[in-house]
Amino acid sequence: QKEVEQDPGPLSVPEGAIVSLNCTYSNSAFQYFMWYRQYSRKGPELLMYTYSSGNKEDGRFTAQVDKSSKYISLFIRDSQPSDSATYLCAMIVTNAGGTSYGKLTFGQGTILTVHP
Amino acid sequence: DTEVTQTPKHLVMGMTNKKSLKCEQHMGHRAMYWYKQKAKKPPELMFVYSYEKLSINESVPSRFSPECPNSSLLNLHLHALQPEDSALYLCASSQGWGGSNEQFFGPGTRLTVL
Repeated sequence: QKEVEQDPGPLSVPEGAIVSLNCTYSNSAFQYFMWYRQYSRKGPELLMYTYSSGNKEDGRFTAQVDKSSKYISLFIRDSQPSDSATYLCAMIVTNAGGTSYGKLTFGQGTILTVHP
Repeated sequence: DTEVTQTPKHLVMGMTNKKSLKCEQHMGHRAMYWYKQKAKKPPELMFVYSYEKLSINESVPSRFSPECPNSSLLNLHLHALQPEDSALYLCASSQGWGGSNEQFFGPGTRLTVL
């Protein structure tokens, strides 16, 4: 079993739809959570960065973390064709003493297509 | 400015060649990373430099040799590569080495080994 599970899709939605992307994880030591967007043949772009359980909003994007369920989500409102990309969740471990190590553990990525 | 630049954008090399990939950031970040990404897979960590010292080597073959000449630059020297080393090589940087620091990626160098 992978430490981070992410449905690879592909996911196809019409323009204007609300998109929900999800990752589950098994290691409770993951404490920092990120969402990256990667366009074809480009580097990943950091979209959201969260630590606490709860919601974080930035424009059309909302990141949600539920540490008790080991589940994170990214919601995209009013999706646009320009949102078509691969979305990667990523996490970082923190040890019991609170020390963090910058090694990212990625999900497999979800391929999203928003069609006009 | 959250830009990490990488050169070249594309590189084709034979198995006997020696080449280098370059990465630069001017955000004052003290941690820099090399990742390798194969098609339809997430990035895989190769090396981490923290304060210009190699902190992590993820058991990468010696035909890949990283170098951090100063806090803004990161190189990856390539020698005697194999066709299976063809991939997108990504550089990233963060303020420091730790979970409270977001990692910003460059656009990558697409490497093809013939």
